[in-house]
Amino acid sequence: DIQMTQSPSSLSASVGNRVTITCRASQSIKNHLNWYQQKPGAAPRLLIYAASSLQSGVPSRFSGSGFGSDFTLTISGLQPEDFATYYCQQSYLNPPITFGQGTRLDIE
Amino acid sequence: EVQLVQSGPEVKKVGTTVKISCRVSGYNFMGHYIYWVRQVPGKGLEWMGLIDPEDDETDYAQKFQGRITITADTSIDTAYMELTSLKSDDTAVFYCVKVQTDGSGRGSWLETWGQGTRVTVST
Repeated sequence: DIQMTQSPSSLSASVGNRVTITCRASQSIKNHLNWYQQKPGAAPRLLIYAASSLQSGVPSRFSGSGFGSDFTLTISGLQPEDFATYYCQQSYLNPPITFGQGTRLDIE
Repeated sequence: EVQLVQSGPEVKKVGTTVKISCRVSGYNFMGHYIYWVRQVPGKGLEWMGLIDPEDDETDYAQKFQGRITITADTSIDTAYMELTSLKSDDTAVFYCVKVQTDGSGRGSWLETWGQGTRVTVST
């Protein structure tokens, strides 16, 4: 199975800040990397697919980049509703798909 | 609007079986894989298995092999996940998810999620 490692595991930031979350795969996955947001008590929500494509309805302050084994999710201009946990997920070797352990984003 | 509506919360005893349903609407049920994902309280996301409703092809995570069965009833656009021999550490929220692919055989993403079904397993 491909291991996905996110960093940091948690971070604090203020409204208006720019934040970056990193996801590293244990082998090359080309661009087969997706990002999800999960708020407490809710199901995850797809943000970014294929490393950099914005899912319909997702604000443009969210962006993704990367190829191979290193990827980033950037949120430019944090909004109060962005404080949540974020997960990356690979689909290159599927099944099984695998997720990162999650990054919790808290209000500073 | 695409929707996946799951059955309600369950409380089960250790050693018993749970079966969760996932009724879809708003898209062609046979045109997309359904995945099941588990989330233990306070933990991350874990893929359990999949079904292709078009031909009932399934695949399961090794961790759940022998305990999990995923089925689909195309007459009512509903998928099911059955987990047997429940243990206390199966206490979790279970999600069904509609999968979208890019046609390449590699690219896929979990596009729409059900609301989740909480299963509590007690002794």
